Amino acid sequence: GENVEQHPSTLSVQEGDSAVIKCTYSDSASNYFPWYKQELGKGPQLIIDIRSNVGEKKDQRIAVTLNKTAKHFSLHITETQPEDSAVYFCAATAGFQKLVFGTGTRLLVSP
Amino acid sequence: SAVISQKPSRDICQRGTSLTIQCQVDSQVTMMFWYRQQPGQSLTLIATANQGSEATYESGFVIDKFPISRPNLTFSTLTVSNMSPEDSSIYLCSVDQGDYGYTFGSGTRLTVV
Repeated sequence: GENVEQHPSTLSVQEGDSAVIKCTYSDSASNYFPWYKQELGKGPQLIIDIRSNVGEKKDQRIAVTLNKTAKHFSLHITETQPEDSAVYFCAATAGFQKLVFGTGTRLLVSP
Repeated sequence: SAVISQKPSRDICQRGTSLTIQCQVDSQVTMMFWYRQQPGQSLTLIATANQGSEATYESGFVIDKFPISRPNLTFSTLTVSNMSPEDSSIYLCSVDQGDYGYTFGSGTRLTVV
């Protein structure tokens, strides 16, 4: 089955810096890769996703890149703000199936 | 995207008792998923619930411990049975919305004492 690894487990940046979180997956059949932000006491919120027919997707300060050959995808957050502080999870699925999650990255943005 | 309501949002339960968690979606969905998130950990799928059929459980989860109902296309329940402190977790339901991705409820924070 699918296995998703995520790094780093914690990431501390200064406000205004960029943050990058990386994930690798094992199942070449996976074709959908979402990223979730989870704030304390809340459920995961989808912030951006990418499908296997696209190499990059951007939404304002957030971007995701996908390298199908290497089986890895990354989340890029530019101009970080304190409100970006949260736990971020990557996930992968082959579509209409369960999401397999990475282990999570705790991002701390210091003012 | 769909709005998911989960009840209760939190509960403190005595060991040996059972708790039923409700998940209501504001639109019809084919597949609903139940996840467990242990303290400080990632999300692990418990089971997939399709309307009109038995839920499909992941390795390590059994129906006797986590019975699931799916009476229609907008509602599902997860029961955590014969609870022990190890069952203290956040339980989340999720739906697959095709092009809109997978949406999660706000979760049920369960503490077993």
